[in-house]
Amino acid sequence: GESVGLHLPTLSVQEGDNSIINCAYSNSASDYFIWYKQESGKGPQFIIDIRSNMDKRQGQRVTVLLNKTVKHLSLQIAATQPGDSAVYFCAESRPNTPLVFGKGTRLSVIA
Amino acid sequence: DTGVSQDPRHKITKRGQNVTFRCDPISEHNRLYWYRQTLGQGPEFLTYFQNEAQLEKSRLLSDRFSAERPKGSFSTLEIQRTEQGDSAMYLCASSPAGAGANVLTFGAGSRLTVL
Repeated sequence: GESVGLHLPTLSVQEGDNSIINCAYSNSASDYFIWYKQESGKGPQFIIDIRSNMDKRQGQRVTVLLNKTVKHLSLQIAATQPGDSAVYFCAESRPNTPLVFGKGTRLSVIA
Repeated sequence: DTGVSQDPRHKITKRGQNVTFRCDPISEHNRLYWYRQTLGQGPEFLTYFQNEAQLEKSRLLSDRFSAERPKGSFSTLEIQRTEQGDSAMYLCASSPAGAGANVLTFGAGSRLTVL
């Protein structure tokens, strides 16, 4: 069936290390992807997005990579900080459809 | 602009009671969305509006759920005859129409607990 999911439900990283959070999607018609960060008690917060005509997009300390061949995207966080501890969701969209979210990965940063 | 506001932040109710949540979107955003999120899960789409028109409803939105956006600004989500399975965080989001329509800005959510 159509789904957006994640390979790992939890990820622990040492402060200062790089983090990689993965996401798989199954619908080849998806043309837009977003990563959201959700801290406890808050709504999801936009981090970075990428369209299907791109392979890579960089922001401040974050990079999203898209591999359409295997329907996989990843979020890389450089020099992970304690403030990065949160649940991260990927979401996908097809034309004229609302965002569909995956289950999320909890990132814990060890000081 | 203070972003997307939701009220109340927390609601505890007994099974069978009706509850209503309110969402005030970012003022210049045409689109308004309702999502539901249960513990350990990602947000699930319920419905969305463009201005006052309700354009899409999920199959998750049973006939006990109704959403309105009468003047194209704030929206309400009402749940009638609440059930324990309705316990969840109800998230509202807004976005502009056109370019940027997919970038949803979320509120902090309204947490519902049905006893």
